[in-house]
Amino acid sequence: DAGVIQSPRHEVTEMGQEVTLRCKPISGHDYLFWYRQTMMRGLELLIYFNNNVPIDDSGMPEDRFSAKMPNASFSTLKIQPSEPRDSAVYFCASSAAGGTYNEQFFGPGTRLTVL
Amino acid sequence: SQQGEEDPQALSIQEGENATMNCSYKTSINNLQWYRQNSGRGLVHLILIRSNEREKHSGRLRVTLDTSKKSSSLLITASRAADTASYFCALTSGTYKYIFGTGTRLKVLA
Repeated sequence: DAGVIQSPRHEVTEMGQEVTLRCKPISGHDYLFWYRQTMMRGLELLIYFNNNVPIDDSGMPEDRFSAKMPNASFSTLKIQPSEPRDSAVYFCASSAAGGTYNEQFFGPGTRLTVL
Repeated sequence: SQQGEEDPQALSIQEGENATMNCSYKTSINNLQWYRQNSGRGLVHLILIRSNEREKHSGRLRVTLDTSKKSSSLLITASRAADTASYFCALTSGTYKYIFGTGTRLKVLA
């Protein structure tokens, strides 16, 4: 398996622009997670899905952030409009169902810079 | 909060020495996991310990869990330069929602 795939790997945009981050989870995994990592705040869980349905979005910082999972093999995280404080590395992770003890498999991340 | 706090924040040791890092938390948990993150990469799962377990081993890794003290430790024995990375504990209290700690940056000097 290719693992969790994220695109783009790097994104540089200007304040006010829309940003869309993409994730393809590992095939067969039922759970998908979006995280944001910064030096100041560490690794923060933004939202997670189970069987394409958002379960907990309490970590989404503002209405400017939205996430979708139209099918089991694809998810997007959108920021509109983007702001400099959104600059961070965004990770997608997936895991398989079967209890509460499953490890998460992380993608390589998308480094976002908002100028 | 549920977040674990790792201690120390940074650790520098010589190759061959043992490295110990700790994770403390405040609420009850179902299980605790340790992850490693190499610079510029995603996190990689190392080991999981359940709340009813006290110790687990995996290769050069040893994890302990003391639920009465709400703390866990990760021991890496005979460290190698390739172990240089950040190490995170992740906690869950019964859902798939894992909360990651602040991390320990380990540097192993060759």
